[in-house]
Amino acid sequence: EVQLVESGGDLVKTGGSLRLSCLVSGLTFSNTWMSWVRQAPGKGLEWIGRIKSKSDGETTDYPAPVKGRFTISREDSKDTVYLQLDGLTAEDTAVYYCTTGGWTNFYWGQGTLVTVSS
Amino acid sequence: FMLAQPHSLSESPGKTITISCVRSSGSIASNFVQWYQQRPGSAPKTVIFNDEQRPFGVPDRFSGSIDSSSNSASLTISRLKTDDEATYYCQSYDDTNQIFGGGTKLTVL
Repeated sequence: EVQLVESGGDLVKTGGSLRLSCLVSGLTFSNTWMSWVRQAPGKGLEWIGRIKSKSDGETTDYPAPVKGRFTISREDSKDTVYLQLDGLTAEDTAVYYCTTGGWTNFYWGQGTLVTVSS
Repeated sequence: FMLAQPHSLSESPGKTITISCVRSSGSIASNFVQWYQQRPGSAPKTVIFNDEQRPFGVPDRFSGSIDSSSNSASLTISRLKTDDEATYYCQSYDDTNQIFGGGTKLTVL
C-alpha cells in the first residue's frame, strides 16, 4: 500500500519560514517525481511545484505565485520530499499536500496545515 | 489556459450525472486530464487519470472522457450513491504547470 505522510505544519508569523516533510512508502521513491499541492481554507486546489527524480535531473518547477519563495528538495535515502517555505504571508495559509507525479497527482498524503498570522 | 467547471450540481441517488471541465485555450486532447474526488475533511483521491483510466479500486460507475468539439473533459458518475457526495476537481497541465479546475460540489439527495 502506498502511503504519503506529511509533517511540519505549524502556526508561523508573517515573513517567517517553515519546512514541510513528506515520507513516502509502498513504492520506489527514487524513481518517482513528486509534487506539492495546497488548499487554502474553503478554496480549491493549487499546484505549487514538482521535483523530478534524480535520474531525470532532480530539477524543480514552480508556478509564478511561489517561485523564489518556495523550494522543493528530496532525500532518496530517506524516501522523503521536502517543501521549504520562506517569506510567508497570510495568503500562504493552507493545507499542504504532497503527491506522487509531476504532471498528475496519483497518490495524495493527508495534508499538513500551515497557518500564517501576524 | 484555465479549466472551467460548474460550481455545484445536485442529483438524486440512482441517477447519472456528468460534470464538465472546459479548457479555455489549446486543445483538450493535448494533455491528459485527471479527476479528483474530495470528501469534506479529507484529502483528494484520484478517480480518473489519463482522460479515462480508473485506478484500481475505483468503481466502474465512474468514467471519464474528452470531447474535442467542445474542448472539454467530462466525469460521469452513474447509479449515484449518497457516498459520492463530494467536490470533484479536474486537472491538466501545460508545458510547465499543473492546472486545476475550480471544483464542482456534487450534492446527492
